[in-house]
Amino acid sequence: QVQLIQSGAEVRKPGASVKVSCKVSGSSVTEASLHWVRQAPGKGLEWMGFFDPEDGQTVYAHEFQGRLTVTEDTSTDTAYMELTTLRSEDTALYFCAMIIQYEIFDLWGQGTLVTVSS
Amino acid sequence: QSVLTQPPSTSGTPGQRVSISCSGSRSNVGTNTVYWYQQLPGTAPKLLIYGNGRRPSGVPDRFSASKSGTSVSLAISGLRSEDEADYYCVTWDDSLNGYVFGTGTTVTVL
Repeated sequence: QVQLIQSGAEVRKPGASVKVSCKVSGSSVTEASLHWVRQAPGKGLEWMGFFDPEDGQTVYAHEFQGRLTVTEDTSTDTAYMELTTLRSEDTALYFCAMIIQYEIFDLWGQGTLVTVSS
Repeated sequence: QSVLTQPPSTSGTPGQRVSISCSGSRSNVGTNTVYWYQQLPGTAPKLLIYGNGRRPSGVPDRFSASKSGTSVSLAISGLRSEDEADYYCVTWDDSLNGYVFGTGTTVTVL
C-alpha cells in the first residue's frame, strides 16, 4: 500500500525558509508526478506546483515563482518543497499529493503545518 | 484569488438533494476535466469525482457531477449527516499553466 509520509510541523520567522519532506512509502517517487497543495487556516486549497518525473521538469503556480523549489531524491524516494522569504501569509497546512490512478491528486500526505511568526 | 467560483455555503435536511456550482472560464472549466473533492476539517481532501463524472471506488452514487459550458455542478442526493464538509472543484488552467481550485463550499446538514 502506497503512502505519503510528511515531515513534522515547523515554525519559522518572517524572511526565513522552510523545507518540507514527503516520503513515498510502498512505491517509488518516480512512479508519478508529485504535487504540493497548501491550505491557510480557515481558507481554501491552493495548488503550488509539481515535479514531473517523466521529463524532470518543475511547474510552479505564478504566485510562487522565485520562492518555491520542488525537488526529489530518488535514492530515498523522498520529495521536498522549499519555500523561501516566508511571510505570515505563508502560515498554512502543506500537503504533498500524487496522481496515481484517477488522473488527479488521489493519494495525499497527512499534511505539515508551517507557522510563520515573529 | 481563485479563478473558479463556488458558493460559500449551502445546506439541506437529511434526504434532500443539494447542488454546488463551480464557475470558471474557457481556459479551465470550458476545456479541461473538472474534479471534485470532499474535505473534513484538519484532514486531507478526498476525491469524489474524476474524469467526466466517474466516482472512485468506495464513493457512493449519491454524488454526481454535470457540466454546462464553463460551469460544472456537484450534486449530493439523499443528503446524510456525514456529508457535512467542505467541497472543492479543481481543474487545469491552460492560460495559467497550472491547476486551480475552486473557492470551496461548506455543506451543512440541518
